[in-house]
Amino acid sequence: TQLLEQSPQFLSIQEGENLTVYCNSSSVFSSLQWYRQEPGEGPVLLVTVVTGGEVKKLKRLTFQFGDARKDSSLHITAAQPGDTGLYLCAGEGNAGKSTFGDGTTLTVKP
Amino acid sequence: GAVVSQHPSWVICKSGTSVKIECRSLDFQATTMFWYRQFPKQSLMLMATSNEGSKATYEQGVEKDKFLINHASLTLSTLTVTSAHPEDSSFYICSARPGQGAHEQYFGPGTRLTVT
Repeated sequence: TQLLEQSPQFLSIQEGENLTVYCNSSSVFSSLQWYRQEPGEGPVLLVTVVTGGEVKKLKRLTFQFGDARKDSSLHITAAQPGDTGLYLCAGEGNAGKSTFGDGTTLTVKP
Repeated sequence: GAVVSQHPSWVICKSGTSVKIECRSLDFQATTMFWYRQFPKQSLMLMATSNEGSKATYEQGVEKDKFLINHASLTLSTLTVTSAHPEDSSFYICSARPGQGAHEQYFGPGTRLTVT
């Protein structure tokens, strides 16, 4: 069974601050996705990383895939209240199934 | 692009009845669809993997006779919760993967099931 540990579980910050969310595993993933989910809705795909060491930027969000494809990070610069939500990482493993982290609930206060 | 719909968005049913939830990929064909269950403030729990034209693969601990999955076409998968009980109340979410070789899953908006 592949496990994906996500941290921190909860994060409450002020508008304008920076933050980083981590996903770590002892398993190698063929790809990793980051999603953002709002209450009562399905997760929305933010990014897919495939290559070890890959870095992708999406406006104020920076995603990195570890060199060994076992871990990933999401960094948000100058967080805004609109960034509030549940952030999920998902590692694609055996048979195309994804293992999800436990999620990070981010609250950005104005 | 890559839009997935679910119907209904919410449903209330009585204990002992069955409920069918539909998952459709609107603008792409999905050879593989996934069904998840999510409890409040928790992550997604994979219930089963559904491949078009073949039987679904259920995760350990998920009763296949209780959660019937049918993937009848490349754009439609259905989940039927049979003989529902209050403990089946949950948020059910489907996702679809657009073809072989694709890494991403695109999620539907979810269905809130309440069994009274």
